[in-house]
Amino acid sequence: EVQLVESGGGLVQPGGSLRLSCAASGFTFTTYWMSWVRQTPGKGLQWVANIQQEGSEKYYVDFVKGRFTISRDNAKSSVSLQMNSLRADDTALYYCVRGGLYGGNPGDYWGQGTLITVSS
Amino acid sequence: SYDLTQPPSVSVSPGQTASITCSGDKLGDKYACWYQQKPGQSPVLVIYEDSKRPSGIPERFSGSNSGNTATLTISGTQAVDEADYYCQAWVSGTAIFGGGTKLTVL
Repeated sequence: EVQLVESGGGLVQPGGSLRLSCAASGFTFTTYWMSWVRQTPGKGLQWVANIQQEGSEKYYVDFVKGRFTISRDNAKSSVSLQMNSLRADDTALYYCVRGGLYGGNPGDYWGQGTLITVSS
Repeated sequence: SYDLTQPPSVSVSPGQTASITCSGDKLGDKYACWYQQKPGQSPVLVIYEDSKRPSGIPERFSGSNSGNTATLTISGTQAVDEADYYCQAWVSGTAIFGGGTKLTVL
């Protein structure tokens, strides 16, 4: 059974940092792109970043470029999102997703999400 | 910037066919996929590569994509299909989601 378990969420002050982690199991992690997608309370979905199987290709949505960094540890079947210079509008539920969300590489499994609240 | 436009809401009677559209410039030239999200739950992929169904998704879900519009069709809609539906496409190195459509089964 495919499982994606996010951790690392919480309350952080504006300008602060947070690192999200996603532990993957139930599939061959090294054969999949992985993505982070966020959802603001009561609102829609917003893609944040994705990373290629070996970590050599990464893509980010414009509003996180320079602030967020996606990485993966294939030995531990995990993907992370380092979030710096956090702003109030980064407040959201962050999902770890299997797949790159492009072309024939959709997001076919989603974790339960971890909530980030940016507030003073 | 590229936008995918969905109607905010669609209503359908049980057993009838529901169609949810997603519009974007030359969307038919790209692959579209659809996600279903029920309250308090994570999204579930229901259609990918315009018209393919993942395993476990009922046959009543189908998709098409041509011109500027992708369409998710639910035939014989059931009460369990009531949810938010989001279209998504990859455009110039960015994954774009539509704003979502709330499907109400009356």
